Amino acid sequence: GAGVSQSPRYKVAKRGQDVALRCDPISGHVSLFWYQQALGQGPEFLTYFQNEAQLDKSGLPSDRFFAERPEGSVSTLKIQRTQQEDSAVYLCASSLSRSHYGYTFGSGTRLTVV
Amino acid sequence: AQSVSQHNHHVILSEAASLELGCNYSYGGTVNLFWYVQYPGQHLQLLLKYFSGDPLVKGIKGFEAEFIKSKFSFNLRKPSVQWSDTAEYFCAVNAHESGAGSYQLTFGKGTKLSVIP
Repeated sequence: GAGVSQSPRYKVAKRGQDVALRCDPISGHVSLFWYQQALGQGPEFLTYFQNEAQLDKSGLPSDRFFAERPEGSVSTLKIQRTQQEDSAVYLCASSLSRSHYGYTFGSGTRLTVV
Repeated sequence: AQSVSQHNHHVILSEAASLELGCNYSYGGTVNLFWYVQYPGQHLQLLLKYFSGDPLVKGIKGFEAEFIKSKFSFNLRKPSVQWSDTAEYFCAVNAHESGAGSYQLTFGKGTKLSVIP
């Protein structure tokens, strides 16, 4: 597609519920990134994929967070047993290579945990 | 680890006023620097970037930024703002080191710009 597509745009989850957030990167983009943006903050790095390989997951805040990209295209960020502090906008970005020359962000998924 | 500071949380200007948004980073090595803009309801878009060379970088929509290495700063400027510049602006840095981690961006908290017609 023309851009990075994320779904759903909005998600309300009850505390303790599991959620799955989807990212459809630009076709052919090798690198895929997930960022978390809390209210009033800038985006913070969560994890990075190069094709299907998750090369860095150092930003994932806890073991309740899990990301995958099994076929090297679509990626899913899963959060188990959601907590109120997980409320944030989750941003996906993709690029043709691992550099920043062509980093394109999606519109994000706003997760609200109640 | 690197960090980015944006001095102003919210800036309010009248149309045609000049704009300067401050950005300072903490990292002693070589960095790549970016300004992103997020218009209301839209995704983050790259405004301009600095990798090397001329420290005065020109971006889209009349924006420019100056990298001052001695001050660890990368301030964003525009001589005359328009109502359509109303948005949130994020400064970001990437530490230019080899190995894992060099692809990560570290963002500031953002500055909200409101331009009054």
